Amino acid sequence: SQELEQSPQSLIVQEGKNLTINCTSSKTLYGLYWYKQKYGEGLIFLMMLQKGGEEKSHEKITAKLDEKKQQSSLHITASQPSHAGIYLCGAVLNSGGYQKVTFGTGTKLQVIP
Amino acid sequence: EAQVTQNPRYLITVTGKKLTVTCSQNMNHEYMSWYRQDPGLGLRQIYYSMNVEVTDKGDVPEGYKVSRKEKRNFPLILESPSPNQTSLYFCASSGQGWFNSPLHFGNGTRLTVT
Repeated sequence: SQELEQSPQSLIVQEGKNLTINCTSSKTLYGLYWYKQKYGEGLIFLMMLQKGGEEKSHEKITAKLDEKKQQSSLHITASQPSHAGIYLCGAVLNSGGYQKVTFGTGTKLQVIP
Repeated sequence: EAQVTQNPRYLITVTGKKLTVTCSQNMNHEYMSWYRQDPGLGLRQIYYSMNVEVTDKGDVPEGYKVSRKEKRNFPLILESPSPNQTSLYFCASSGQGWFNSPLHFGNGTRLTVT
C-alpha cells in the first residue's frame, strides 16, 4: 500500500470554485512538500511544511499540516484554468531507521472555463 | 540559473541495448536522486546519493545502476533495458539537510524500450 495517500485521485471543477486536496500518512511526517506537474513535464515546487499546525499560502493556494503531522491539505481558492495539472505531495518519512522522501500518486485537477 | 538538467528528454531504444541518462545540477547540492513515474504508481525512488561516492538503493533499484564521481553529476545507467523499464524518469537534487529543503527536479526523460 502507498505510504502517502492522496485524495481525490482526480477532480473536475468549474472555474472560480474552491477545492481541497488531501495527503495522508500513516507515519509521522518530518517534512511535507507540495508539487505541481503539467502532464509529462517536470515537477514545480509549491510549498514545504514542517511544523505541526503550519500553514503557508502562495497566491491562491494554501497548504496546511495538521497538528499531529500526519495529514496535509492543499486548498485552491477561486480556481483558474492555469491551476490545472497534477498535484503531488511528497514527504520525508522515517523508514527503517532513516529518513526517505516518498510521494503520493497524485491528484489530477481539471478546471473547466 | 539554478537548475537540474537531464538528457535526453526522449529516448527510444531496444531491449538489451545499454543506455545512460545524464543528470547534472549547478546548485552544489549534496543530495541527488532518481525517480521513475508510472500511471497509478506515482513517483518511485530508484537510487539516491547523499554525497560524492555515496549511493544507495531506493524502492525499485533492480535493473539500474548509478554513480556519483562528481558532486554535480548523477547518471542513471540501464545495462540491459527491458520493456518494463519504459517510464518517465526524473532526476532531483537537494541541499544539505535535505529533509529541510525541497527537491529540485529536472524536466524528465521519457524512455521507451521496445
